Amino acid sequence: ETGVTQSPTHLIKTRGQQVTLRCSSQSGHNTVSWYQQALGQGPQFIFQYYREEENGRGNFPPRFSGLQFPNYSSELNVNALELDDSALYLCASSRMTGDNSPLHFGNGTRLTVT
Amino acid sequence: GDSVTQMEGPVTLSEEAFLTINCTYTATGYPSLFWYVQYPGEGLQLLLKATKADDKGSNKGFEATYRKETTSFHLEKGSVQVSDSAVYFCALSDHRGNYGQNFVFGPGTRLSVLP
Repeated sequence: ETGVTQSPTHLIKTRGQQVTLRCSSQSGHNTVSWYQQALGQGPQFIFQYYREEENGRGNFPPRFSGLQFPNYSSELNVNALELDDSALYLCASSRMTGDNSPLHFGNGTRLTVT
Repeated sequence: GDSVTQMEGPVTLSEEAFLTINCTYTATGYPSLFWYVQYPGEGLQLLLKATKADDKGSNKGFEATYRKETTSFHLEKGSVQVSDSAVYFCALSDHRGNYGQNFVFGPGTRLSVLP
C-alpha cells in the first residue's frame, strides 16, 4: 500500500511570490485535505477536496487555493506569499465514508518565506 | 465551533514511568476522537481512535477511553520508552454528511523520555 507522498520537502520563497505544493494520495483514498502547521502548533485545516471539488474550507483567505485531479492527487497553491505563511504544509488523504475514517498524512512540505 | 484542549508541555519523564496526557473537547455533535503522534521531521501518524462513548482505543501500549460525561479522551501508557519521545496531538472528527469530515486538532503536547 503506497502512502501519502508530498513534494517538495523543503522550499524557500520570497514575500509576494507564488508557490505550488503537490500531494499524491494513499491508494484507495478519494479525499484529500490540506493543513497548515505553524511551529509549535497543531495543524489548522485549510480545505478538503472530494471528486475534484472543494467541499470544505477553514479560515484561510482566497489566495490559498487548490486542485484535485482524477487520480486523486492534489495541489495547494498560495499566491502573494506573506511572512506568516512560513509553516509545514501537510496533506492528508482518507476515504469518503460515513465511519469517520482517520486521516493519513504525508511528511509535509516545509515552506519558508523570506 | 468544535475545539480540542490539551495539557501544555513539554512533559519530561524517565524511562518506564507512567504517562498521562490530558485531552478535553467541545463539540456540537457526537464526534470520533483520535490521538496522532508526530516524530521529528515527519507528518502525523494515527496512534489510536474511538468512535463512540465508552470505547477504548489502544495501540503500542497506549490507551485512551472516550468519556462523554467529562468530554475527555486522556492518553495513557503504563511504561514509556525513549522511542516514545514525540509530539502527541488529540483530535476530533465530526462527520458532515456529504461534506466529509471536519477534523480539529489540539495544540500538541511534546513528550521527552530520558534513559
